[in-house]
Amino acid sequence: TQLLEQSPQFLSIQEGENLTVYCNSSSVFSSLQWYRQEPGEGPVLLVTVVTGGEVKKLKRLTFQFGDARKDSSLHITAAQPGDTGLYLCAGRTDSWGKFQFGAGTQVVVTP
Amino acid sequence: DSGVTQTPKHLITATGQRVTLRCSPRSGDLSVYWYQQSLDQGLQFLIQYYNGEERAKGNILERFSAQQFPDLHSELNLSSLELGDSALYFCASSVANRVGETQYFGPGTRLLVL
Repeated sequence: TQLLEQSPQFLSIQEGENLTVYCNSSSVFSSLQWYRQEPGEGPVLLVTVVTGGEVKKLKRLTFQFGDARKDSSLHITAAQPGDTGLYLCAGRTDSWGKFQFGAGTQVVVTP
Repeated sequence: DSGVTQTPKHLITATGQRVTLRCSPRSGDLSVYWYQQSLDQGLQFLIQYYNGEERAKGNILERFSAQQFPDLHSELNLSSLELGDSALYFCASSVANRVGETQYFGPGTRLLVL
């Protein structure tokens, strides 16, 4: 059983469309991170959120941390083929604790 | 390039064998993390070392062990290998172990057990 549940598992959209992926848990996290992983490579950190209700923007990507610090969302505006990848969320329940990863959402953006 | 190096890139071995995976963290990073990624389990945290000492343990099997050396590189030893151990093994490093700190992942070692 995954501590962090990501949805949907797979998302295929056309270039220019918007998408949102979700990361949910029943646990409270001290911090939550989003990564993107491309085939044959390791995950690359996109953002870290630590405050409940926090919203961070990275160009066309908007990340939100839930008020209760149990969930997060990633919204991509006007998706491009370069956004294709496996999006992973990872949470930590305390300062020295292990990172827990969700199973990921595979996003495919077609031209 | 994250600055984290892992060797070998690919490894093919037989059941019952033992292998060692090596990781060199980014220069200046004291923490090293090991992860296993398989299709059915996703990315699973195995173990973390900080400045040579074990800091956190995840879903690491007893057949697996790791250590971090004085020069901060780390090795993950997998023994009595089973078919189900076939996976991508990632190492990540960070400066210390603070909340919200960035982990930098290496390119991974792809292990295939036949």
